Amino acid sequence: GAVVSQHPSRVICKSGTSVKIECRSLDFQATTMFWYRQFPKQSLMLMATSNEGSKATYEQGVEKDKFLINHASLTLSTLTVTSAHPEDSSFYICSAPYQGSRNEQFFGPGTRLTVL
Amino acid sequence: SQQGEEDPQALSIQEGENATMNCSYKTSINNLQWYRQNSGRGLVHLILIRSNEREKHSGRLRVTLDTSKKSSSLLITASRAADTASYFCATVLNTGGFKTIFGAGTRLFVKA
Repeated sequence: GAVVSQHPSRVICKSGTSVKIECRSLDFQATTMFWYRQFPKQSLMLMATSNEGSKATYEQGVEKDKFLINHASLTLSTLTVTSAHPEDSSFYICSAPYQGSRNEQFFGPGTRLTVL
Repeated sequence: SQQGEEDPQALSIQEGENATMNCSYKTSINNLQWYRQNSGRGLVHLILIRSNEREKHSGRLRVTLDTSKKSSSLLITASRAADTASYFCATVLNTGGFKTIFGAGTRLFVKA
């Protein structure tokens, strides 16, 4: 099946710094990608929809200035957590829908962010 | 915001028993999918059922969908210790944009 990669898989940073997470669709093009956040023992919460060539669409309650999303190409979306704080520590997962007949989304392996 | 609710939140069974998890959702959907997630890992897609389907099988998995009740169930038969994981239902909204919303999840523990 289609593959979505994320980089880095794990990052530890100091409070106040910015962290960039990459999401790539490896063998298919994705005009849309999704970013989720998952706190321990909780479900995935949709943060935003990343759109190639246009602005991202953020879910209610998600600060667009804090979570910068750039869909640079048909295979790459980046999420930058700006001025990170300990409460931003979470598991961030991206996904890309495979626009074939199965309507399936492929998920990246996730990025574990720890803000000290 | 999440639109799916799942029950039970946690389920502990013996190996060999069947595990049933339920999911309810709120709005019109294009399809519903079930995923598995091992602790701290990414998601594994298990099965997709379309809004015009009522039941689907895949190996030891059986999924049902009742669009009138806006609910779905996942049955894992003859469970194994390796089935221990969190299971999430995810609904793809009928908005044409593949927006997917996850349920709260069921944490399944299968005792050997």
